[in-house]
Amino acid sequence: SQTIHQWPATLVQPVGSPLSLECTVEGTSNPNLYWYRQAAGRGLQLLFYSVGIGQISSEVPQNLSASRPQDRQFILSSKKLLLSDSGFYLCAWSPFGGAINEQFFGPGTRLTVL
Amino acid sequence: GQQLNQSPQSMFIQEGEDVSMNCTSSSIFNTWLWYKQDPGEGPVLLIALYKAGELTSNGRLTAQFGITRKDSFLNISASIPSDVGIYFCAGQRGGYGGATNKLIFGTGTLLAVQP
Repeated sequence: SQTIHQWPATLVQPVGSPLSLECTVEGTSNPNLYWYRQAAGRGLQLLFYSVGIGQISSEVPQNLSASRPQDRQFILSSKKLLLSDSGFYLCAWSPFGGAINEQFFGPGTRLTVL
Repeated sequence: GQQLNQSPQSMFIQEGEDVSMNCTSSSIFNTWLWYKQDPGEGPVLLIALYKAGELTSNGRLTAQFGITRKDSFLNISASIPSDVGIYFCAGQRGGYGGATNKLIFGTGTLLAVQP
């Protein structure tokens, strides 16, 4: 069966510090991968998605970047965090190709920027 | 980013009551999904719908893909305290797999169940 992991679970960072959040998927190959941000427990905003290694599409201009160095690894980064970067970050995966269009979410990372 | 209109925004009900919520769009979708999110956790997929008019059940949950392809409904029968959480609809316009798997999410319905 497939599982998705995110770490860390919680993170408190000062403004201006760098960020690296990691997401890994097990039990599947060549998944589509996604990063979302959720503010105040409502509304999921798609930040980035990837259909393969090194292939990143950005949905909204922002202070964040994403990378996919391996097939099942997706990283969300920032060089200098802003207060507005606080939120709940969710990674998700979906099967590439085929008839299944569902996305499956990880447990999330709670980021607080002070 | 774009979001789907989901209603009601919140519901406060007694244990045992039935619940209904819906999601509407001005655009046609080929897939409708319903998720539940518990506090501090990632959303969990409840039901996936792929055909207009489709009615699918998962235990006490029933969801329908609207005939017009522009809406979807979720019903919960005989609610229990563990039904508490935020319910999200999500629509997808694309075909099978690939980059068109992007989901557009509803604004969420917060459900509170009083024992």
